[in-house]
Amino acid sequence: QVQMVQSGTEVKRPGASVKVSCKTSGYTFTSYDINWVRQAPGQGLEWVGWMNPNSGSTGYAQKFQGRVRMTRSASIRTAYMELSSLGSDDTAVYYCARGPPSYLAVAAFDYWGQGTLVTVSS
Amino acid sequence: ILLTQSPATLSLSPGGRATLSCGASQSVRSSYLAWYQQKPGLAPRLLIYDASSRATGIPDRFSGSGSETDFTLTINGLEPEDFAVYYCQQYGSSPLTFGGGTKVEIK
Repeated sequence: QVQMVQSGTEVKRPGASVKVSCKTSGYTFTSYDINWVRQAPGQGLEWVGWMNPNSGSTGYAQKFQGRVRMTRSASIRTAYMELSSLGSDDTAVYYCARGPPSYLAVAAFDYWGQGTLVTVSS
Repeated sequence: ILLTQSPATLSLSPGGRATLSCGASQSVRSSYLAWYQQKPGLAPRLLIYDASSRATGIPDRFSGSGSETDFTLTINGLEPEDFAVYYCQQYGSSPLTFGGGTKVEIK
């Protein structure tokens, strides 16, 4: 079965960077995009960006441009999201989510990781 | 594309029918609209994609409809496990966007 297992809770100082991992199993890693979505405490969902694990191509929401980087290690079927210059408003649960497959241009997110809480506090 | 969900909260009894709305600020390309269910402390779960197709394993009491700028999620015969927050999402245009959510609570 498809699984997406994320790294654990992080506590960071303002101005620092955080790198969250998403280890996948149960499907061909390079055949589906990985998206990242975040959710601030008590708030709704916000899309951060996507990565194609086969080509390494990425696309980021404008508000994160310049301080987010999505990468992967295909050999260990793991995707990463690094966010820099953290501020208190980056405190949120960060989710990785699968979709779309390589044969589709777009698709909903059918599997999600369990989420990683990132707390930014001085 | 801005997605506006209404109502913010829906108070209903088990066995009842829930009708959730999602309005888009501009037409959603090819009805690329999804609905997700989220329970406290858990990741969202895909219910509906392409506006009206049920995801794998989703019971048929969940149905989606609509096109262009007006979409609806209907839950017939609410079960205790259906009380949760529901989000719509459009994935036809970048940036992908989510609605603010509708909480379905027990009356």
